[in-house]
Amino acid sequence: GQNIDQPTEMTATEGAIVQINCTYQTSGFNGLFWYQQHAGEAPTFLSYNVLDGLEEKGRFSSFLSRSKGYSYLLLKELQMKDSASYLCAVPWGAAGNKLTFGGGTRVLVKP
Amino acid sequence: DSGVTQTPKHLITATGQRVTLRCSPRSGDLSVYWYQQSLDQGLQFLIQYYNGEERAKGNILERFSAQQFPDLHSELNLSSLELGDSALYFCASSVEGLAGAGDTQYFGPGTRLTVL
Repeated sequence: GQNIDQPTEMTATEGAIVQINCTYQTSGFNGLFWYQQHAGEAPTFLSYNVLDGLEEKGRFSSFLSRSKGYSYLLLKELQMKDSASYLCAVPWGAAGNKLTFGGGTRVLVKP
Repeated sequence: DSGVTQTPKHLITATGQRVTLRCSPRSGDLSVYWYQQSLDQGLQFLIQYYNGEERAKGNILERFSAQQFPDLHSELNLSSLELGDSALYFCASSVEGLAGAGDTQYFGPGTRLTVL
C-alpha cells in the first residue's frame, strides 16, 4: 500500500521561504511528484524527483531522500500568488501508473 | 491552460439521477485519468484509460463507469447519484500513462458536480 503525510496548513510572509514536507510509505518506489492547486482550480505540475538530492526550478526546489521516505518542496521569495495547496503524490500499482496524492498543504502568504 | 478540456464546468442534479462528464486530452496524449476531489477525501484516483483500453482502477464505485473513444476523448458516467457524490471531478492526461516512469499528468479544469 501507500501512505502520504503532509502538514495541513502553513503560513508565511511575502518574500520569505517556506519548506513543505512530505513523508511517504510505498511498496516499491517510482518517484515523487509535486503539484500546486489554487482553490477550485486544477492541480498544476511542479516537479518530479526519482533520484536523491535537490532539484531547483526557479523559485521552487524539490528534495528527495529515498532512504528516509521523505521529500520537501522549497518555495523561495514568496509571492501572494503562491497562496495555494501543494500536493505530493507517489505512483503505485504493478506498472506504477496510478497516483496517490497526499491531503495537501495549504500555504497562506501574508503581506 | 493545460490543454485538457472538460465539460460541463458545473452540473447540478438530483439524487438518483445519471450524468455524463466529458474530457478531451492534450494533443498527443494517449492516456486519460479520472479523479474525484471532495473536501473530506482529497484527490482520489478513479480510473485510467490508455489508447481506448482500461489500464488501471482505483476506488471507483460500481455506480460509476468510464470509457475512452477512438478519438481519445473520455466520458465518466455517474448513475444513481447520492448526496455524497457531490465533488470536483478532474480529468488528466499523459503521453504514455506511466506515472512511475515520470510521465507527467496534466489536469483539466474540472467539473463541479452538485447533487441535491
